[in-house]
Amino acid sequence: EAGVAQSPRYKIIEKRQSVAFWCNPISGHATLYWYQQILGQGPKLLIQFQNNGVVDDSQLPKDRFSAERLKGVDSTLKIQPAKLEDSAVYLCASSPLATSGGVWGNEQFFGPGTRLTVL
Amino acid sequence: AQSVTQLDSHVSVSEGTPVLLRCNYSSSYSPSLFWYVQHPNKGLQLLLKYTSAATLVKGINGFEAEFKKSETSFHLTKPSAHMSDAAEYFCVVSDTNFGNEKLTFGTGTRLTIIP
Repeated sequence: EAGVAQSPRYKIIEKRQSVAFWCNPISGHATLYWYQQILGQGPKLLIQFQNNGVVDDSQLPKDRFSAERLKGVDSTLKIQPAKLEDSAVYLCASSPLATSGGVWGNEQFFGPGTRLTVL
Repeated sequence: AQSVTQLDSHVSVSEGTPVLLRCNYSSSYSPSLFWYVQHPNKGLQLLLKYTSAATLVKGINGFEAEFKKSETSFHLTKPSAHMSDAAEYFCVVSDTNFGNEKLTFGTGTRLTIIP
């Protein structure tokens, strides 16, 4: 079974530039997540999709970050404009079951991440 | 609000000796608890998970963890460390209130194996 795919793996940009990351989840997985992992910290959830709808984007800095999941499959995460503090690894994950009452302990499968450096 | 505290940012053990990575959690509801491992330049991989079944959970690669509600702990152990165990380990808690599963990660413990 193919895993979660992400591209690019590495990106270096200057502050105030724009950048986009792409994620292809495991086939059939209803739920998709984007995380930000700053060096020395654990991943922090940015946004969660269920199919093509947003479940949770409470920690997404909406003034500069945006994300979409067209057709409930692939997803893109965009930063515009980037700041120095956005330097991090951006992780995409997917899980096989849609969140619903009583469904829990659901494993998330992570991609290799995109390492972003903002200069 | 849910949270996890990983008590050690860095643990070093000799190859063949036991591993103990400590984790305490805080959760308003009955939590799910996970341990994930992250090798350099690789994605996070699930080691094991607790979801209110047996309190002693066995995972991959010989790791296990015990859920202790009275101590709010979920420590990860392995009887004998191998060089390939060197990685970053994350303790994770998930609250499932209202059916919205949200993972909260600890800050991680870097495990170094001494030959």
